[in-house]
Amino acid sequence: SQTIHQWPATLVQPVGSPLSLECTVEGTSNPNLYWYRQAAGRGLQLLFYSIGIGQISSEVPQNLSASRPQDRQFILSSKKLLLSDSGFYLCAWSPGTGKNEQFFGPGTRLTVL
Amino acid sequence: GEDVEQSLFLSVREGDSSVINCTYTDSSSTYLYWYKQEPGAGLQLLTYIFSNMDMKQDQRLTVLLNKKDKHLSLRIADTQTGDSAIYFCAEPFTGGGNKLTFGTGTQLKVEL
Repeated sequence: SQTIHQWPATLVQPVGSPLSLECTVEGTSNPNLYWYRQAAGRGLQLLFYSIGIGQISSEVPQNLSASRPQDRQFILSSKKLLLSDSGFYLCAWSPGTGKNEQFFGPGTRLTVL
Repeated sequence: GEDVEQSLFLSVREGDSSVINCTYTDSSSTYLYWYKQEPGAGLQLLTYIFSNMDMKQDQRLTVLLNKKDKHLSLRIADTQTGDSAIYFCAEPFTGGGNKLTFGTGTQLKVEL
C-alpha cells in the first residue's frame, strides 16, 4: 500500500532563516505531487505541483520554491522566511489517473517568529 | 473565479444525522470528493462519487449528487464525537492538470 511522509511535523523558525520541508511517497511510482498551505485551519491554497522529476509548476508568486530531485521526493524551500509564511503545509500525491483523487500527508506546522 | 462553497459550521447532537452541503462549479466534473480533516492532521479521503451516479452509500456515509443544481451533500448517520472535524468537498480543477479545487470546509461539531 502507498504511504506518504512529511517532516518535520512542527517547526519554529526566525524571520529571515532558510526553510526545507520534505515529503516522500512509498509504494507507487511516477506520482503527481502537490504542496498546499492551509492558513487559519481552513482553506487550502495550492502552492506547487509536479508531474515528474524536475517538473514543477508554481501556482502563486511567493517566497517559496519547490524541487523534485527524485521520483517520490518533493521538497519545499525558502531562502529567507517571512512572517506570512507561517501556516500548515500539506503534501499530497495522486496516481495521475482519471479520478484525480489526492492523498495527503500528515502536514508540517510552521511558525515563523 | 467561482468558488466551491460550503457552510462554515454545523453543530449536531451525538446520534443524530449530519448533512454537510457543497455547491461546486463545473457541471462537467467527472468525480467529486469528500475529505475529512481532524485537528492538526492531514486530509483523509472519505469517499467520492462519479458524476453518472446520484447517490452512493458507504456504511454511515451517504453522498447525494444533484448535477442540475451542482449540489453535493454528505450525510453522516448516527453521528459520533469522533466525526468532529472539518469536511471538505473537492472537484477537479476546471483548467485541468490533475488538480483539485477544494471547498472552504465545514467544521462539524458533535455535542453530547
